[in-house]
Amino acid sequence: GNSVTQMEGPVTLSEEAFLTINCTYTATGYPSLFWYVQYPGEGLQLLLKATKADDKGSNKGFEATYRKETTSFHLEKGSVQVSDSAVYFCALYTGTASKLTFGTGTRLQVTL
Amino acid sequence: DAMVIQNPRYQVTQFGKPVTLSCSQTLNHNVMYWYQQKSSQAPKLLFHYYDKDFNNEADTPDNFQSRRPNTSFCFLDIRSPGLGDAAMYLCATSREGQGRRETQYFGPGTRLLVL
Repeated sequence: GNSVTQMEGPVTLSEEAFLTINCTYTATGYPSLFWYVQYPGEGLQLLLKATKADDKGSNKGFEATYRKETTSFHLEKGSVQVSDSAVYFCALYTGTASKLTFGTGTRLQVTL
Repeated sequence: DAMVIQNPRYQVTQFGKPVTLSCSQTLNHNVMYWYQQKSSQAPKLLFHYYDKDFNNEADTPDNFQSRRPNTSFCFLDIRSPGLGDAAMYLCATSREGQGRRETQYFGPGTRLLVL
């Protein structure tokens, strides 16, 4: 079956630090990969996505590259802000049973 | 702006008292989903509608039911809420068909409290 593994949180960084949140996956077929962000008390917002190998998704300074050879989709940002504090979910979708498979989420806390 | 709307944002109900949560969308997507998310956990899919076809997840309790009267609206009914049903309920939509996989877009969620 499909699964997503994310690094354990919480991740605590100072403002302007470099961010990496690791995500690896196992899937049958060729999944589409997503990062969603959830701010406190809110629903999930799509942050970025990639639909095939070597695609790079990017949005709001965040980037992630679909690496088929390492089955990874790590999230990166060069300089985090306090406003980036949230929970980040890596997810995949193979189109079977219309089901998104989520990782457990990684909480990011950015301090001044 | 096209979007997924959930009402109410906060719902308080009593143990055993039926409650209905609503979701509407202006994206004209043919698939609508309901997820349950408990604190510090990933969302868990309860069921989804592909057009008018209802698809229940195997481990979704019978206490949870859904209705989709038209393309735009979908309801989550909890027949007899228990304390363990207190959670955030997320509605999502996507467009699917002809083998295409599309992104799921989420609403802001309804936080349910059971007293």
